[in-house]
Amino acid sequence: DAGVIQSPRHEVTEMGQEVTLRCKPISGHNSLFWYRQTMMRGLELLIYFNNNVPIDDSGMPEDRFSAKMPNASFSTLKIQPSEPRDSAVYFCASSFASGNQPQHFGDGTRLSIL
Amino acid sequence: GNSVTQMEGPVTLSEEAFLTINCTYTATGYPSLFWYVQYPGEGLQLLLKATKADDKGSNKGFEATYRKETTSFHLEKGSVQVSDSAVYFCALSDPGGSQGNLIFGKGTKLSVKP
Repeated sequence: DAGVIQSPRHEVTEMGQEVTLRCKPISGHNSLFWYRQTMMRGLELLIYFNNNVPIDDSGMPEDRFSAKMPNASFSTLKIQPSEPRDSAVYFCASSFASGNQPQHFGDGTRLSIL
Repeated sequence: GNSVTQMEGPVTLSEEAFLTINCTYTATGYPSLFWYVQYPGEGLQLLLKATKADDKGSNKGFEATYRKETTSFHLEKGSVQVSDSAVYFCALSDPGGSQGNLIFGKGTKLSVKP
């Protein structure tokens, strides 16, 4: 079975550029999560969706970050404009919306902003 | 609020040593508990889980028992291998939520030397 698919795996761009990260959740899962991981701050939840609706975006760092889920099989996380401090590994995860179900993670996008 | 506290790493062990990584939690209600493992350059993978008190989760030689009286879910392995070197995350489901959100600990890095 296909797992959570993220693209691109690596992204290097200059500050000020727009960055779009993509995620395809596991088919049938109805919750989707975006995380950011850095050495300094560890794993941080940015936003999560349930049935394509954003439930909690309190972890989104600032207005430069936005996330959408136009349908059950696709989500994007956009940074505009990007800054060097946005450099991190961004993970997408999906799960069934139930308290005892695990989340399944993608392999992440390693983002470097120069 | 709900939270997870893990022992700080890094933990360095010799091959075949006994491993314990402590995890305690604070939660209202009856959360499910999880251990995830992250190998270098990869996303988090579910290692094991327990959904109610006194349940024991196990996988790949790792075990953890859901102890409600001590609010703990310590990870153990009797004989570690070099291939177990990774970062281990304890997590609990949000007892009040129904969207599959998890609360993660900060992670414990394990290094196993031959």
